[in-house]
Amino acid sequence: AQTVTQSQPEMSVQEAETVTLSCTYDTSESDYYLFWYKQPPSRQMILVIRQEAYKQQNATENRFSVNFQKAAKSFSLKISDSQLGDAAMYFCAYRSADSGNTPLVFGKGTRLSVIA
Amino acid sequence: DTGVSQDPRHKITKRGQNVTFRCDPISEHNRLYWYRQTLGQGPEFLTYFQNEAQLEKSRLLSDRFSAERPKGSFSTLEIQRTEQGDSAMYLCASSLYWIGELFFGEGSRLTVL
Repeated sequence: AQTVTQSQPEMSVQEAETVTLSCTYDTSESDYYLFWYKQPPSRQMILVIRQEAYKQQNATENRFSVNFQKAAKSFSLKISDSQLGDAAMYFCAYRSADSGNTPLVFGKGTRLSVIA
Repeated sequence: DTGVSQDPRHKITKRGQNVTFRCDPISEHNRLYWYRQTLGQGPEFLTYFQNEAQLEKSRLLSDRFSAERPKGSFSTLEIQRTEQGDSAMYLCASSLYWIGELFFGEGSRLTVL
């Protein structure tokens, strides 16, 4: 079974600075998808960024980018120019690229605090 | 479209009682997922539907749990004879096709006394 590990339970960053959240995963598959989800306090989880394993180019969405290292099974999230609204729980997630019968598997999350 | 909605947002019940949660997905989404999230943990998969068919159930879903999605629209998750260990946030998500982005609701928090 696939597993996702987030080794940083909590992180903090100064407003306008850059922070990197770590994620590693374990799989024997070669084709899969990786995601970062954001869960603000008392609000629903939203997708931040997505990476297809067959793509070598790292995904980027505005201030959010990933460092995808397939051989190392590592998928870190970099947040640039951090804003107060970035404070949230961040979950790394994995999904197999099979017929879709395997669900999204989440890590335990990293709580990000942004200091003004 | 207001997104995925869940009801109730918070339910407090006594041990041994039955509870039911409802999820209304985004209207055109054919996939609907239930996850459970306990404090300090990431969401754990419970079950999912494609249209009205329940395609997979986690081993976390004991016999006391049942989920339905009649007519492929809204879904209900019922927990019978609740136990204190059932206290958690129950998240619903929907997607358009299997590869689509999952859109989550705000969750239904269950507290079992």
